[in-house]
Amino acid sequence: KQEVTQIPAALSVPEGENLVLNCSFTDSAIYNLQWFRQDPGKGLTSLLLIQSSQREQTSGRLNASLDKSSGRSTLYIAASQPGDSATYLCATSGNNDMRFGAGTRLTVKP
Amino acid sequence: GAVVSQHPSRVICKSGTSVKIECRSLDFQATTMFWYRQFPKKSLMLMATSNEGSKATYEQGVEKDKFLINHASLTLSTLTVTSAHPEDSSFYICSARDLYASYEQYFGPGTRLTVT
Repeated sequence: KQEVTQIPAALSVPEGENLVLNCSFTDSAIYNLQWFRQDPGKGLTSLLLIQSSQREQTSGRLNASLDKSSGRSTLYIAASQPGDSATYLCATSGNNDMRFGAGTRLTVKP
Repeated sequence: GAVVSQHPSRVICKSGTSVKIECRSLDFQATTMFWYRQFPKKSLMLMATSNEGSKATYEQGVEKDKFLINHASLTLSTLTVTSAHPEDSSFYICSARDLYASYEQYFGPGTRLTVT
């Protein structure tokens, strides 16, 4: 059964700093990996989806990488802003389900 | 982009009553829908996978008689929490998989259930 782990569980940085969130998974037989953002009490906002055949995806200040063989993905956020404060979840898609990590709670201080 | 809606967004009910939550794919057909539960400051836990026209597949530890799932059409799945108890209070999120986009899931905005 797929297990997804995210490190760190919480992260606090000053505004403007670049940062990296980590995600690891135990079963490399995935179809894709997705990064989400979740604000308190809200649903999920999809940020980036990386297909299993891809190595990275970029959107604005966000860059996500995928190394399937080692079971790792990173989400890089450049020039962080207070509005980036949220919980970031990574999730892998397998044959018929999606497994989530516990998330990284990010706080960007002005 | 693909949109998934949930109704209601918030519901408060008394212990012992049943609550139905709807999940709809608004602009695409979804042969498969998923129901998740999220406790405060925790990640999403898959409860069940719902395939249109067939019985749902429940994850280990999820009571199928308590969490009734119906997926009667390609655009609608419902989750009914029967005989609700305070410990059922949680955030419930559904997702739908596009029939023509294999493994990408689109998520609903979630339903906050509070059982008093």
